[in-house]
Amino acid sequence: ETGVTQSPTHLIKTRGQQVTLRCSSQSGHNTVSWYQQALGQGPQFIFQYYREEENGRGNFPPRFSGLQFPNYSSELNVNALELDDSALYLCASSPPGTSSTGELFFGEGSRLTVL
Amino acid sequence: AQSVTQLGSHVSVSEGALVLLRCNYSSSVPPYLFWYVQYPNQGLQLLLKYTSAATLVKGINGFEAEFKKSETSFHLTKPSAHMSDAAEYFCAVRTQTGANNLFFGTGTRLTVIP
Repeated sequence: ETGVTQSPTHLIKTRGQQVTLRCSSQSGHNTVSWYQQALGQGPQFIFQYYREEENGRGNFPPRFSGLQFPNYSSELNVNALELDDSALYLCASSPPGTSSTGELFFGEGSRLTVL
Repeated sequence: AQSVTQLGSHVSVSEGALVLLRCNYSSSVPPYLFWYVQYPNQGLQLLLKYTSAATLVKGINGFEAEFKKSETSFHLTKPSAHMSDAAEYFCAVRTQTGANNLFFGTGTRLTVIP
């Protein structure tokens, strides 16, 4: 069984640029969530996708956007990058039936550095 | 609103000693509670979860946690620390109803001294 995979693992961008991060959910999982983990902090919820629609959003500005595709994979897009966007971005998926208990399966993350 | 507070950003124990990582939660409705572990340069791995069944929850790698409603706590313990337990540990909470996103604490870095 393939777990959650994310790409790229590391990337460097400059302020004002745009970035797209990708996530393949674990087989059989239909819900994908994205979290931002700044250095020395716990992960913070960005948003969640279910059936290709946003299904909950944290306290992040609209320049953070996402997509979910029919195969349940997902993208996180960030426009107009700021220095504070430097962080580890974690994708997590969950299968049908666990939405009631909230267990999430995380990928290893994409580390974004904004210069 | 839900939140968790992890007391102690760094904890050091000797190999073979008891591990105790503290977590207190705040939730206006019955919570689900989780402990995740993060090894360097890796994602988060679920250690255990409380979902309103037994208050004493056993997880992987010998860890367990006890849900204490009166103390709003969900502390993580392991009787005997192993070198491989060195990692960052995160407590997280979500409500039993509504949105299923998790609210994480700021983490506790566990160091195991040989």
